[in-house]
Amino acid sequence: KNEVEQSPQNLTAQEGEFITINCSYSVGISALHWLQQHPGGGIVSLFMLSSGKKKHGRLIATINIQEKHSSLHITASHPRDSAVYICALDQGAQKLVFGQGTRLTINP
Amino acid sequence: EAGVTQSPTHLIKTRGQQATLRCSPISGHTSVYWYQQALGLGLQFLLWYDEGEERNRGNFPPRFSGRQFPNYSSELNVNALELEDSALYLCASSLGVGNSPLHFGNGTRLTVT
Repeated sequence: KNEVEQSPQNLTAQEGEFITINCSYSVGISALHWLQQHPGGGIVSLFMLSSGKKKHGRLIATINIQEKHSSLHITASHPRDSAVYICALDQGAQKLVFGQGTRLTINP
Repeated sequence: EAGVTQSPTHLIKTRGQQATLRCSPISGHTSVYWYQQALGLGLQFLLWYDEGEERNRGNFPPRFSGRQFPNYSSELNVNALELEDSALYLCASSLGVGNSPLHFGNGTRLTVT
């Protein structure tokens, strides 16, 4: 069993829809990262969470440490949100373990 | 503020050769991380350098090595290249204290033929 599982693997939605991407994990962590990777390969760090909830613009990330689960939400989705979203676990000593990613496509 | 820069953007080598990839962190960042993203395998942690020392490494053979220079820039060296080393190699930097955010470069795409 993988230490980190993301769902769904692929998600296609219409512009304006509310998007939820889930990340479940089975190990203890010191923090959880949400990353965005565009087709060219560049990665942007969206959030780093160790508890609770964070919001940045239309993006919201939540984490439940007891349930070992995190979600990334996108409100009022836009075609420019199309990317691969990756959840990564920090188990300490900066050794990240990455999920397989969720490929999001937002159609106009 | 300049972001994390990686060079070269693309690198083509033949099997058995050595590859050297370079990374310059954001000014003020002391930690540099290297990751490999091979086709179909997702991102994997390779190495972490902080203050010139290797602090942690992932499950990669010793032919993957690197170093961090006094100006905190870093090199990743891959010796005796194999076809399966073909991948996007990403570098990230951070302040290296507590849980500080990562800043990624655009990567070096290494192709081994």
